Amino acid sequence: ETGVTQTPRHLVMGMTNKKSLKCEQHLGHNAMYWYKQSAKKPLELMFVYNFKEQTENNSVPSRFSPECPNSSHLFLHLHTLQPEDSALYLCASSQGGEELDYGYTFGSGTRLTVV
Amino acid sequence: AQSVTQLDSQVPVFEEAPVELRCNYSSSVSVYLFWYVQYPNQGLQLLLKYLSGSTLVKSINGFEAEFNKSQTSFHLRKPSVHISDTAEYFCAVSLPYSGSRLTFGEGTQLTVNP
Repeated sequence: ETGVTQTPRHLVMGMTNKKSLKCEQHLGHNAMYWYKQSAKKPLELMFVYNFKEQTENNSVPSRFSPECPNSSHLFLHLHTLQPEDSALYLCASSQGGEELDYGYTFGSGTRLTVV
Repeated sequence: AQSVTQLDSQVPVFEEAPVELRCNYSSSVSVYLFWYVQYPNQGLQLLLKYLSGSTLVKSINGFEAEFNKSQTSFHLRKPSVHISDTAEYFCAVSLPYSGSRLTFGEGTQLTVNP
């Protein structure tokens, strides 16, 4: 375990389904992130939360809806996805705020397949 | 704004050979630099980092990277690779007091062949 836990590890969903990805950390971090990693493409930052407030949304389609109820948990709600949304979704956390940055701690990811 | 360029998308090498994965960054101010490794079907793991002080930083599994300010580089090296080093390697940069914002390079796939 890396300190950041993502569930489920694998998810297959139809285009009309609604599902949620969960991320949990107990590292005392205050910033959490969602990244999308597609084959042959760079890491894409989707959302950033600092102290439970969303501070960045990189033009992500509205079929992806993040939720951060507290500093330890982050969700990504999915609905009416497209096949091109199939990817590895990575959650990460860091100290956040304006503290010295010691890098991110990543979860193992959720492998999403949209059929 | 800062940016990161990883000059090689694929690096194939034979086992026990030396390897260098190249990373250059662009920034007008001081930066923090990181290397992450991603094994198949896993998330990214921090391999090593440069924050300040000695420009040569080392990981526990034999990798090292040297911060070169004049060349704006942070290349990753290992004198003798193993099959188990096969993975994707990401270079990343951050500005101090940036609100934890990391910018990643596009990654380099290292494949170690027997």
